[in-house]
Amino acid sequence: AQSVTQLGSHVSVSEGALVLLRCNYSSSVPPYLFWYVQYPNQGLQLLLKYTTGATLVKGINGFEAEFKKSETSFHLTKPSAHMSDAAEYFCAVIPHQGGKLIFGQGTELSVKP
Amino acid sequence: GAGVSQSPRYKVAKRGQDVALRCDPISGHVSLFWYQQALGQGPEFLTYFQNEAQLDKSGLPSDRFFAERPEGSVSTLKIQRTQQEDSAVYLCASRGTGTGGNSYNSPLHFGNGTRLTVT
Repeated sequence: AQSVTQLGSHVSVSEGALVLLRCNYSSSVPPYLFWYVQYPNQGLQLLLKYTTGATLVKGINGFEAEFKKSETSFHLTKPSAHMSDAAEYFCAVIPHQGGKLIFGQGTELSVKP
Repeated sequence: GAGVSQSPRYKVAKRGQDVALRCDPISGHVSLFWYQQALGQGPEFLTYFQNEAQLDKSGLPSDRFFAERPEGSVSTLKIQRTQQEDSAVYLCASRGTGTGGNSYNSPLHFGNGTRLTVT
């Protein structure tokens, strides 16, 4: 069965530092890949998605992610963290043959001043 | 335009009570999903509708959970005889038509959820 692994349940960075949140999926056929952000007491908001085409995907709020088939990874990055980036981040996949969106366990990002 | 709307925002139920959670999807979205999110966890799939048809209910944890979408728009998730382990945030999401006739590459749009606390 398709699964998603997010390495690190908590990541803490200083304001202005690089943000790197890791996501690996298990599938021999690349799925559709998504990153969502969740602020406290709110629903999930789409940051970016990869379906086909260019492997470097740019999203909202300065985030981007690179699909690497050889590593079955879809890590999320942002060059310079902002205090407003503090939130929970979820990597998710839809198997290429379709079906439900499957989420990772999430990574809580803290940003220190 | 309006996003996905869920009500109530918060619900406290005594163990054994029945509850009903409502979801209004984005207008025109044929796909509707329910997820359960326990504290500190990622959302877990419960069930999926395409229009009024419930195509997948494999994630419903027990026969106490029931979902319906009779007219292919508003959906209700009902939990009978609530238990403490049902305490969670229940998220509803809808999805439009993707590119090339493939809806799977279209993202899910989530509501703010209903936080259910069973005491």
